[in-house]
Amino acid sequence: GDSVTQMEGPVTLSEEAFLTINCTYTATGYPSLFWYVQYPGEGLQLLLKATKADDKGSNKGFEATYRKETTSFHLEKGSVQVSDSAVYFCALLRNTGGFKTIFGAGTRLFVKA
Amino acid sequence: EAGVAQSPRYKIIEKRQSVAFWCNPISGHATLYWYQQILGQGPKLLIQFQNNGVVDDSQLPKDRFSAERLKGVDSTLKIQPAKLEDSAVYLCASSFDSGEQYFGPGTRLTVT
Repeated sequence: GDSVTQMEGPVTLSEEAFLTINCTYTATGYPSLFWYVQYPGEGLQLLLKATKADDKGSNKGFEATYRKETTSFHLEKGSVQVSDSAVYFCALLRNTGGFKTIFGAGTRLFVKA
Repeated sequence: EAGVAQSPRYKIIEKRQSVAFWCNPISGHATLYWYQQILGQGPKLLIQFQNNGVVDDSQLPKDRFSAERLKGVDSTLKIQPAKLEDSAVYLCASSFDSGEQYFGPGTRLTVT
C-alpha cells in the first residue's frame, strides 16, 4: 500500500544552519505531496505542497521539490530560526474517489539560539 | 475566515468511561476528517465524511468508536468504553474539494 517514510528525529540545529528533512514515498499513480508543520499544542498547518513531478513548493523560506525518479520530497531551508522548532510531517494525497492523505511519522526539529 | 473549531481541548477520563468530541469545520467544506495522533506518531485517519455520508471508516474501531455528521456540518466522535490505549490527540480536519486539509487544534485525551 501507499506509504510515507521520513527521517527519524529529533533534528537539532543551531540558528542559521541549513535544514534538510528527508521524505520518500511509495504510491501508485501520481499523488500530490505535502509538508505540514505542527507547533507545540497546535494542530497541523499546511506548509507547502507540490502536485506533479518537478514542481517545487515553497513557503516561509522552506522548499521541497517533487522528484518522481527518486520518489522523494525532501524539505529544505537555508537558514533556520528558533521559531522553526516544531514537528514536520510529510504526506501524500491520492484520489481514491474521496481523497486520502497518508502521513509520515513526523520529524521533530529543535533550533537552538 | 474562521478555522476548524474543536472542543474540548483537553479531557481526562478513567478507562471504561465514555467521552465525546465535537468539531465544527470551515464553512463550505464538504469533507470532514477525524484523526487519531498518538504521541510520537503521525495522524492516523479514523473516519472521513463527504457531507453527511461516510467515505472511509476502515480504521475506525467500530466496537468502541462512533462518529456522526448530522446535516453535513458539525461532527461528533465518541468513544465508549475508553481504553488506556485510546490516550492520544484527536484531530479534526476539513477540506473543500482539492484535498488540501485544514486542521483544528485537537483534543488531548488522557485515559487513566
